[in-house]
Amino acid sequence: KAGVTQTPRYLIKTRGQQVTLSCSPISGHRSVSWYQQTPGQGLQFLFEYFSETQRNKGNFPGRFSGRQFSNSRSEMNVSTLELGDSALYLCASRLAETYNEQFFGPGTRLTVL
Amino acid sequence: AQSVTQLDSHVSVSEGTPVLLRCNYSSSYSPSLFWYVQHPNKGLQLLLKYTSAATLVKGINGFEAEFKKSETSFHLTKPSAHMSDAAEYFCVVTMISGGYQKVTFGIGTKLQVIP
Repeated sequence: KAGVTQTPRYLIKTRGQQVTLSCSPISGHRSVSWYQQTPGQGLQFLFEYFSETQRNKGNFPGRFSGRQFSNSRSEMNVSTLELGDSALYLCASRLAETYNEQFFGPGTRLTVL
Repeated sequence: AQSVTQLDSHVSVSEGTPVLLRCNYSSSYSPSLFWYVQHPNKGLQLLLKYTSAATLVKGINGFEAEFKKSETSFHLTKPSAHMSDAAEYFCVVTMISGGYQKVTFGIGTKLQVIP
């Protein structure tokens, strides 16, 4: 069974631009979570989607948004990029609401210049 | 409320010697505990998990961890370090309540293996 896939793997943007990252969960998994990883802040939870509904949200500004499609694929959007948004963005999927084991994708490395 | 403390940000061991990565947790409820490993420029890979069954948990690549409720600890060990073990390790506590999952990551411990 294929693992969690994320595209693109690397992105370079400039301040003020917007970006969309994509995540395809493991087949059959209905929950997708997004995390931001930076050297200074470590791993921080962004949001979780389950069956196309945002179930939980971390403490990030409204410039960070996401959505989930009916096939469980998820996208994350960051608008008006800032230098501090440079990070590794990780997506994780889990089977269902009662399952707490997450499977992570390889991440998207975003660099904001 | 829940929290995770990884007591060492860096650990250095010689190849072939034991590895000990320390993790203490705090949780209002019975938590699920995980250890993940992250190699450079890679995502997180699950090493092992504790979900209220056996307190000694065996994982992949020879790693194991022991859940000690009295000490609120979940330390990761391996009898003999290999060069390929050099990576960053994260201790994670999760709780599911009402379908919502709360996940808390430790700050990570970078393991260096010296040949």
